[in-house]
Amino acid sequence: ETGVTQSPTHLIKTRGQQVTLRCSSQSGHNTVSWYQQALGQGPQFIFQYYREEENGRGNFPPRFSGLQFPNYSSELNVNALELDDSALYLCASSFRTGANTGELFFGEGSRLTVL
Amino acid sequence: SQQGEEDPQALSIQEGENATMNCSYKTSINNLQWYRQNSGRGLVHLILIRSNEREKHSGRLRVTLDTSKKSSSLLITASRAADTASYFCATDSGFQKLVFGTGTRLLVSP
Repeated sequence: ETGVTQSPTHLIKTRGQQVTLRCSSQSGHNTVSWYQQALGQGPQFIFQYYREEENGRGNFPPRFSGLQFPNYSSELNVNALELDDSALYLCASSFRTGANTGELFFGEGSRLTVL
Repeated sequence: SQQGEEDPQALSIQEGENATMNCSYKTSINNLQWYRQNSGRGLVHLILIRSNEREKHSGRLRVTLDTSKKSSSLLITASRAADTASYFCATDSGFQKLVFGTGTRLLVSP
């Protein structure tokens, strides 16, 4: 148990729709990162939020957006869904104290299927 | 893009045997971490090794790091069926993110 919870666990959408995924970080953590994991691949960094501001972004288009709230919960929003967006979306929280990235605490993920 | 490449992609062993997985990466790093993932679920942190460290132990895990070769290895001793999972290396290069490799699928048979 990492103390990081994600919802929903599974969902099915159709191409062109929008989706919001939610994450509740571990208590005391100030940083939330989102990763996309396609089947058979390693997780790919989408973006990170630190103290409610985006603090780094991977190679994902602007239709991937996010929010971090004062209570360190977070959302990942994906607009205009495409078939290739089908993946496991992982939220990871951590406590950032400096420039280095330490241990990440992952949730169980939200599995999105786009038809 | 994936920074690390794990080798082998898949490994099948018997209980009690040792399992060794290797990871190669491309750029300089602050630290390298290993994670485990069961059946497409969340990842669990196993161990972190800093760039100025060469070897680290945690229980049945032993990690080595060779920054001159940009490579790391994870050794699991006396494997158990419960060790069956995918194992990923992840590197921190100072950009506030971890870059994960492609993973090694380990199957430990009773």
